[in-house]
Amino acid sequence: AQTVTQSQPEMSVQEAETVTLSCTYDTSESDYYLFWYKQPPSRQMILVIRQEAYKQQNATENRFSVNFQKAAKSFSLKISDSQLGDAAMYFCARSNDYKLSFGAGTTVTVRA
Amino acid sequence: DTGVSQNPRHKITKRGQNVTFRCDPISEHNRLYWYRQTLGQGPEFLTYFQNEAQLEKSRLLSDRFSAERPKGSFSTLEIQRTEQGDSAMYLCASSLDWGSATDTQYFGPGTRLTVL
Repeated sequence: AQTVTQSQPEMSVQEAETVTLSCTYDTSESDYYLFWYKQPPSRQMILVIRQEAYKQQNATENRFSVNFQKAAKSFSLKISDSQLGDAAMYFCARSNDYKLSFGAGTTVTVRA
Repeated sequence: DTGVSQNPRHKITKRGQNVTFRCDPISEHNRLYWYRQTLGQGPEFLTYFQNEAQLEKSRLLSDRFSAERPKGSFSTLEIQRTEQGDSAMYLCASSLDWGSATDTQYFGPGTRLTVL
């Protein structure tokens, strides 16, 4: 089975500090896409950032950036200058043909 | 600009009853997906439509589950003879086919099903 693993069930960060969420995945494909989604409590899932596997450059979206290591099949998310609104469950996902395979998620709490 | 909408948002039913959920995708999106998410877990793929054609179904989708997307617009997911194990959040997502195998999926708020 092709899986996505998020080894950190919970992470806590002080407001304005940086936190890094880890994600590893398994795939037999050479071309695929990776995503980080954010799911606030009782709210819908929204896309944070997307990475195409054929691109060597790491994706960045404002305070969110990734460290994509293709050979190691690793895809970590860094949240810089954390804000209270960043508190949520974060899911790493990998494309598998047209569907997405998700990890179990990491709950991020932000301390004021 | 409206996103993906799902109705109802919550459904409580008794075991053995049938339930139907509706998903309205973003208007120009031709791909539609259903996922199931249990508490504390990531979503799991159930099924996928390209326009009105259902192209893939997960093994999670037992014979009691059926999904349709008439005319390639909204979609419905029906569960017959519900069981307590069906209790979960049912998520719908849609995307626009740019000709790539993978395009960004946009999720709805989900329908939370509780089977008593």
